[in-house]
Amino acid sequence: DVKVTQSSRYLVKRTGEKVFLECVQDMDHENMFWYRQDPGLGLRLIYFSYDVKMKEKGDIPEGYSVSREKKERFSLILESASTNQTSMYLCASRSGGLTEAFFGQGTRLTVV
Amino acid sequence: SQQGEEDPQALSIQEGENATMNCSYKTSINNLQWYRQNSGRGLVHLILIRSNEREKHSGRLRVTLDTSKKSSSLLITASRAADTASYFCATDQKAQKLVFGQGTRLTINP
Repeated sequence: DVKVTQSSRYLVKRTGEKVFLECVQDMDHENMFWYRQDPGLGLRLIYFSYDVKMKEKGDIPEGYSVSREKKERFSLILESASTNQTSMYLCASRSGGLTEAFFGQGTRLTVV
Repeated sequence: SQQGEEDPQALSIQEGENATMNCSYKTSINNLQWYRQNSGRGLVHLILIRSNEREKHSGRLRVTLDTSKKSSSLLITASRAADTASYFCATDQKAQKLVFGQGTRLTINP
């Protein structure tokens, strides 16, 4: 069974902290994505990566950075967490071409 | 933003009825996909329709795509309580960028 695993289901961090959200996939997929989901706004793309060490900005990259040192792992970094980054974060992966994406279970991050 | 727009934002119907959700988008696409999300969980892929296809079926799901109008619809026939979820369309854009809409929240009443 295919699997995308996010390191935490729930996370509470303080304003100004550096936060790491980790995502691991076991399907040897080239492409990985980070989205945030907020009520009424749907899923918004933060960053995606199409290969190791390669990344592209999505629609809302401000305040975030990413790292992909290994094919199976894609990390989202909040350099200095702020309360407006309180949200559900979803990681996804897929192979190249016109394929379906597989999602992790989500990380609900609260910044206080 | 290049997000798609789903319509309606929320839909409530009786069990056994059909549910129709619509999606409009702005850019040219390679394909369009529909996903389902149960409350507070990750998304699950339902169906993919390529830009050169007009209609696709999978079980109780029927998807149509009209690239001239930049729109798609998802029909769920003979709805069940277990179909209660949020449904999202996603457009496959250039360079593997997968962009989601805002979703339709579907409630099936027993």
